[in-house]
Amino acid sequence: AQKITQTQPGMFVQEKEAVTLDCTYDTSDPSYGLFWYKQPSSGEMIFLIYQGSYDQQNATEGRYSLNFQKARKSANLVISASQLGDSAMYFCAMRGNTGTASKLTFGTGTRLQVTL
Amino acid sequence: GAVVSQHPSWVICKSGTSVKIECRSLDFQATTMFWYRQFPKQSLMLMATSNEGSKATYEQGVEKDKFLINHASLTLSTLTVTSAHPEDSSFYICSASFPRGRNSPLHFGNGTRLTVT
Repeated sequence: AQKITQTQPGMFVQEKEAVTLDCTYDTSDPSYGLFWYKQPSSGEMIFLIYQGSYDQQNATEGRYSLNFQKARKSANLVISASQLGDSAMYFCAMRGNTGTASKLTFGTGTRLQVTL
Repeated sequence: GAVVSQHPSWVICKSGTSVKIECRSLDFQATTMFWYRQFPKQSLMLMATSNEGSKATYEQGVEKDKFLINHASLTLSTLTVTSAHPEDSSFYICSASFPRGRNSPLHFGNGTRLTVT
């Protein structure tokens, strides 16, 4: 079974500062993918960044980077130079690599509020 | 990029009626689509996996006779909430995987907010 844990229900960050959103995971799959999604108040799920379990380097996408520590089973999202438009719910998710585990399993989410 | 269209974006219906929600992959073929449900301030919970040309696979605790899923083509999956009741009021969102492999991201529709009165 796969499990995603996000321990921060809510986070505040000042505009232009960096913020780290925590995510830990548990799986018995040897190969898996980790994803981060942003959900604004309108409800759509916006894909941000992906990290494969065998990737040697941490993933980066613009202002988003993923701090992947495989031994610790953590995949924290770092948002640099926060903007007001970054205020949203952020979900960490995992996808296994075998059979029905190809579905995405989500964490409980972190609500990020960017302040002036 | 891959686009998933979901319709309607919101619907209000009376208790006892049925509601159909459509999920389309616009620029790619999706042999598998996923249906999620999200209650306010909660995470997305997978309801079922929709497989083109075969029966859907439902998650434990999801009533297959209440939430009918049809995936008749490679670009369309539908979720029908039958005999809806107020407790079915929720945000339903579908997703599809762009066929680059199992670790390609799921692309989501914009969701359907269902209110049953």
